[in-house]
Amino acid sequence: QSVLTQPPSVSAAPGQKVTISCSGSSSNIGNNYVSWYQCLPGTAPKLLIYDNYERPSGIPDRFSGSQSGTSATLGITGLQTGDEADYYCGTWDSSLSAVVFGGGTKLTVL
Amino acid sequence: EVQLLESGGGLLQPGGSLRLSCAASGFTFSSYAMNWVRQAPGKGLEWVSVISGSGFSTYYADSVKGRFTISRDNSKNTLYLQMSTLRAEDTAVYYCAKEGIGGGDCDFDYWGQGALVTVTS
Repeated sequence: QSVLTQPPSVSAAPGQKVTISCSGSSSNIGNNYVSWYQCLPGTAPKLLIYDNYERPSGIPDRFSGSQSGTSATLGITGLQTGDEADYYCGTWDSSLSAVVFGGGTKLTVL
Repeated sequence: EVQLLESGGGLLQPGGSLRLSCAASGFTFSSYAMNWVRQAPGKGLEWVSVISGSGFSTYYADSVKGRFTISRDNSKNTLYLQMSTLRAEDTAVYYCAKEGIGGGDCDFDYWGQGALVTVTS
């Protein structure tokens, strides 16, 4: 059981938009920055979003992040087949003194 | 170019010990906190531990506390994870990950290729 809650799966058609939610509490998302990662099979995770909404260099603006209260959201527009992957949210949990990840969301581009 | 190269993975029996290494290059190693994150087969990401740039501050996931020890040698630009009393549930690919430039504690901007640790009898 993950500290952060994500939907197990989401799907959308190519070119469409999808959002992935990440729900936590005041000890994690409510008071700490959220990051989002993309995991493709057989490769190391890739940082997509940090500090709730910032994008690292090289990440296209099709990827966006937001945070409100104890929840965060990853948005992906202009879906491509190459976006099919597992997506994870993560943040620091002040009560646990630990980094916590969501359980992951599998994105299918139909 | 930032590079992180893990080594030391392998196959061992429950109760055994293993040390992973992560050789870093392309950045000022001592200026950044470093983390270990693992992913069990077919499972999600699980954070394991973090160590500050100086090495003076460390934190661990409850699942490994008391069994794993994170350390670093800034003179060798190398991060370590000493794992003992290993269990089957420690089987995973272990990644070292560099702290990013953000204000949070979970922005890992560079990752190694991963080292597979398999614990089985």
